[in-house]
Amino acid sequence: QKEVEQDPGPLSVPEGAIVSLNCTYSNSAFQYFMWYRQYSRKGPELLMYTYSSGNKEDGRFTAQVDKSSKYISLFIRDSQPSDSATYLCAILTGGGNKLTFGTGTQLKVEL
Amino acid sequence: GAGVSQTPSNKVTEKGKYVELRCDPISGHTALYWYRQSLGQGPEFLIYFQGTGAADDSGLPNDRFFAVRPEGSVSTLKIQRTERGDSAVYLCASSLTPGDTEAFFGQGTRLTVV
Repeated sequence: QKEVEQDPGPLSVPEGAIVSLNCTYSNSAFQYFMWYRQYSRKGPELLMYTYSSGNKEDGRFTAQVDKSSKYISLFIRDSQPSDSATYLCAILTGGGNKLTFGTGTQLKVEL
Repeated sequence: GAGVSQTPSNKVTEKGKYVELRCDPISGHTALYWYRQSLGQGPEFLIYFQGTGAADDSGLPNDRFFAVRPEGSVSTLKIQRTERGDSAVYLCASSLTPGDTEAFFGQGTRLTVV
């Protein structure tokens, strides 16, 4: 079983839609849950992270962790064409020195 | 520049050749990481440096892969006897301190082995 599983999509939504991106993970000991955004031919950039369980909000983005079901989510409100990118969930492992990524979900927000 | 710089951006090499990929981390960042991203996949961890030493090289796929960071800043990823399966984007990242939650990634080197 992979440590992190993510539906690769692609996901296409109209501008202004609410987007829900999801991952599951295998090890209940994981504490740091990250979301990265990757534009085409660029490196990943950290969007936000949560520690342990609960929600974290930053502008139009909300990250959520449900440790009981080992489920992590990223919600994007009022999605914009500029949000079109691949979104990668990741777990910080190896004593905090290694990121284990999901496969990434490709998102397209259409006008 | 202020970000992580990787050179070259693209590298095409013949099967069996040796290649070197370079990473210039953000100035002052002590931790440096190499990842490999195959098409349609998330990045996979290769190796992590703390200063000059490789603190964790558990992700290197085999002994054809080697990385160095002799002065604690620039790092070079070396691949011997390249194979077509080595084709991928090689990403470098750095963070201010080991265990820092934010690692900054470069744009990657796209390696194609023909």
